[in-house]
Amino acid sequence: RKEVEQDPGPFNVPEGATVAFNCTYSNSASQSFFWYRQDCRKEPKLLMSVYSSGNEDGRFTAQLNRASQYISLLIRDSKLSDSATYLCVVNVITGGGNKLTFGTGTQLKVEL
Amino acid sequence: EPEVTQTPSHQVTQMGQEVILRCVPISNHLYFYWYRQILGQKVEFLVSFYNNEISEKSEIFDDQFSVERPDGSNFTLKIRSTKLEDSAMYFCASSVIGVDGYTFGSGTRLTVV
Repeated sequence: RKEVEQDPGPFNVPEGATVAFNCTYSNSASQSFFWYRQDCRKEPKLLMSVYSSGNEDGRFTAQLNRASQYISLLIRDSKLSDSATYLCVVNVITGGGNKLTFGTGTQLKVEL
Repeated sequence: EPEVTQTPSHQVTQMGQEVILRCVPISNHLYFYWYRQILGQKVEFLVSFYNNEISEKSEIFDDQFSVERPDGSNFTLKIRSTKLEDSAMYFCASSVIGVDGYTFGSGTRLTVV
């Protein structure tokens, strides 16, 4: 089983639509959770941290279910500029330190 | 906004040559990392560095790879004898406490010919 699993997409949605991405992770030792955004051939950029209580940042809402090892991201009123690859990322504490483990990403294309 | 700086942005090298990729992490960050992304694939962990030593490394980070923080500001990744399969985007990252989200540099695209 992959450490972090995401539907690769692409998700093609019209502007203004609501779109949801899901992710599952396999390592129960995962400590912290994030959604990153990656534009083509650019570096990953932190979109938001994800908490069990759920958190919202403008049009973006993220949710973590530790029991199911499941993470979600909801984008409301999508904009053309939201087109990117969304990376589900978990931070695992290891014997030596910690490391981020990335999913393969879900590609979003917002169209007129 | 503070940023992680990487140089060069693109490096072309011949197979078997040594390359050094350079990074300047954010000044108050304590944890430093190298990741790589082969074209079309996911971002993969290479190595983490804290308190002037490697704290974790992946299977990819074999004897051909080394890291160094020579002067308290730069953080370098050296590949001793490059192979074709080392062609990838290499990202440096840093974080304050390790369990928070990292800040990534804009990457060095390494092409081995």
